[in-house]
Amino acid sequence: KQEVTQIPAALSVPEGENLVLNCSFTDSAIYNLQWFRQDPGKGLTSLLLIQSSQREQTSGRLNASLDKSSGRSTLYIAASQPGDSATYLCAVTGSRLTFGEGTQLTVNP
Amino acid sequence: GAVVSQHPSWVICKSGTSVKIECRSLDFQATTMFWYRQFPKQSLMLMATSNEGSKATYEQGVEKDKFLINHASLTLSTLTVTSAHPEDSSFYICSANPIVEQNNEQFFGPGTRLTVL
Repeated sequence: KQEVTQIPAALSVPEGENLVLNCSFTDSAIYNLQWFRQDPGKGLTSLLLIQSSQREQTSGRLNASLDKSSGRSTLYIAASQPGDSATYLCAVTGSRLTFGEGTQLTVNP
Repeated sequence: GAVVSQHPSWVICKSGTSVKIECRSLDFQATTMFWYRQFPKQSLMLMATSNEGSKATYEQGVEKDKFLINHASLTLSTLTVTSAHPEDSSFYICSANPIVEQNNEQFFGPGTRLTVL
């Protein structure tokens, strides 16, 4: 059974800092890995999708990497802003989409 | 593109009533849609996979007679919570994967907040 773990569970940083969120998964037989953002009481917004054959994807200030063999992914956020405050979820697609517990990010002005 | 809507966005009902939640793919077709529930401060838990024109596949521990799923068209799936009780109060989210997409990317609806009194 696939298990997805995200570290840290919560993170508070001052505005402008670069930060890294971590995601690990136990079964490397995945089709892809997605990073999502969820604001309180809202649905999920897809940030980045990395195919199993890819190593990284970039979108603006976000960069996600994937090391399938070691079962790890990182989401790098550059020059963080208060508007980045949200819960970040990673999810891997194997036979189904399996989510991690999320990292709650707070960026302080 | 790839927009998924849900209706209603929130609902409050009395214990014992049934509540229907709609999930629509607005600009794409999907043979498969997924239903999740999310409790406060927790991640999403897959409840069932909704297949167009056939029976839904339920995850272990999810009562199929309690959570009725209908996927009558390529753009609409409905989840009916039958005889709702306070413990069914949760945030319900659907997702869909476009038929034309080959990368299994999931697009999520905005969620429905159900409160059962």
